[in-house]
Amino acid sequence: GDSVTQMEGPVTLSEEAFLTINCTYTATGYPSLFWYVQYPGEGLQLLLKATKADDKGSNKGFEATYRKETTSFHLEKGSVQVSDSAVYFCALSETNNDMRFGAGTRLTVKP
Amino acid sequence: ETGVTQSPTHLIKTRGQQVTLRCSSQSGHNTVSWYQQALGQGPQFIFQYYREEENGRGNFPPRFSGLQFPNYSSELNVNALELDDSALYLCASSPPPVAGVAKNIQYFGAGTRLSVL
Repeated sequence: GDSVTQMEGPVTLSEEAFLTINCTYTATGYPSLFWYVQYPGEGLQLLLKATKADDKGSNKGFEATYRKETTSFHLEKGSVQVSDSAVYFCALSETNNDMRFGAGTRLTVKP
Repeated sequence: ETGVTQSPTHLIKTRGQQVTLRCSSQSGHNTVSWYQQALGQGPQFIFQYYREEENGRGNFPPRFSGLQFPNYSSELNVNALELDDSALYLCASSPPPVAGVAKNIQYFGAGTRLSVL
């Protein structure tokens, strides 16, 4: 079945460092891909999304490109801030009802 | 615009009891999905409701059941609680699908943390 594999955390970076969180997926068709972020004690917030191959999703300085050839959707940010500390989830949806999530990657940004 | 709201925020039950969790969907959203998130893990899909009917189910036993009401709000019921049911339960609502837009965009509530003792 469909699945998502994320880079294991935790990830600790200094402020203004470059961030990459790897995500690869397995799907039988053409899924939509998502990154969600979860701050402590809160639910998930949609960070960005992509619908088809070569689409680039972007929001709040974060970017991810849908790479069908490598079945990847890596999350990047050029300069992280302390406020970016959270857990990041990669997810895919191939239908209109079932969304599959990765295990999450905890990011801590130190001043 | 009101987002997805869930109640209660925290709940403590004992093994064998039954629990009902509630969710109000975001305005204009007609689909509600429920997820179980164990500590340190990603959310696992329980089921989805669309137009008051179950519209997909994950790998959860029948003691997990749900309802959707005409106003699109929803309930998750869990019978015969087990210790392993302790988790954060997340509700997400989705707008009607639009051609060419990402499938299944979901907007999450803050969750209900259930502890089973």
